[in-house]
Amino acid sequence: DAGITQSPRHKVTETGTPVTLRCHQTENHRYMYWYRQDPGHGLRLIHYSYGVKDTDKGEVSDGYSVSRSKTEDFLLTLESATSSQTSVYFCAISSAGTGTNTEAFFGQGTRLTVV
Amino acid sequence: QQQVKQSPQSLIVQKGGISIINCAYENTAFDYFPWYQQFPGKGPALLIAIRPDVSEKKEGRFTISFNKSAKQFSLHIMDSQPGDSATYFCAAVGSGSARQLTFGSGTQLTVLP
Repeated sequence: DAGITQSPRHKVTETGTPVTLRCHQTENHRYMYWYRQDPGHGLRLIHYSYGVKDTDKGEVSDGYSVSRSKTEDFLLTLESATSSQTSVYFCAISSAGTGTNTEAFFGQGTRLTVV
Repeated sequence: QQQVKQSPQSLIVQKGGISIINCAYENTAFDYFPWYQQFPGKGPALLIAIRPDVSEKKEGRFTISFNKSAKQFSLHIMDSQPGDSATYFCAAVGSGSARQLTFGSGTQLTVLP
């Protein structure tokens, strides 16, 4: 895997508790993304970052926040976890730029269960 | 509202057969169409991709056919092997600088030995 580490790999948490997932890259790529994967929906973009402290919302951003204080780290926070946020979360990185076909590389995923 | 529609949801093929997965998109601003392969417990990995100014792209046993006017594209896996058993996602990339991926819902392919 292209220098992407997600932590934790598995987590069970209770409804209403805050949860933070971490994505760490060693590729020095500019762009980082958080997706969630659910059966029947494929992968859906939650938030993405195009540089340190520069982030933007994706398709399913409600209930999630992100932060990127260093190029290598992108954090996803569920402020108050709900059962609908039970999912597998993937971080991806890319050196993307307009007009390029740059590949996005995905981490191994974090399986989050909210009970 | 799903911007990229993928079918079938699951596919079972005999070894040596042809696997065909279809996708359709709505947003004409998409300018790059990759296919990702995902094995259980792993993240998706790029398999093959095409730009809309090309009607077909072939890499080994994998071929993408692209129909710009119909806004449809498909993945053909020739001589399918049990090792091809995985989930396949079509995707589309917008023209923005962040190059976000919009995924189809996925196809679970099983190749029987």
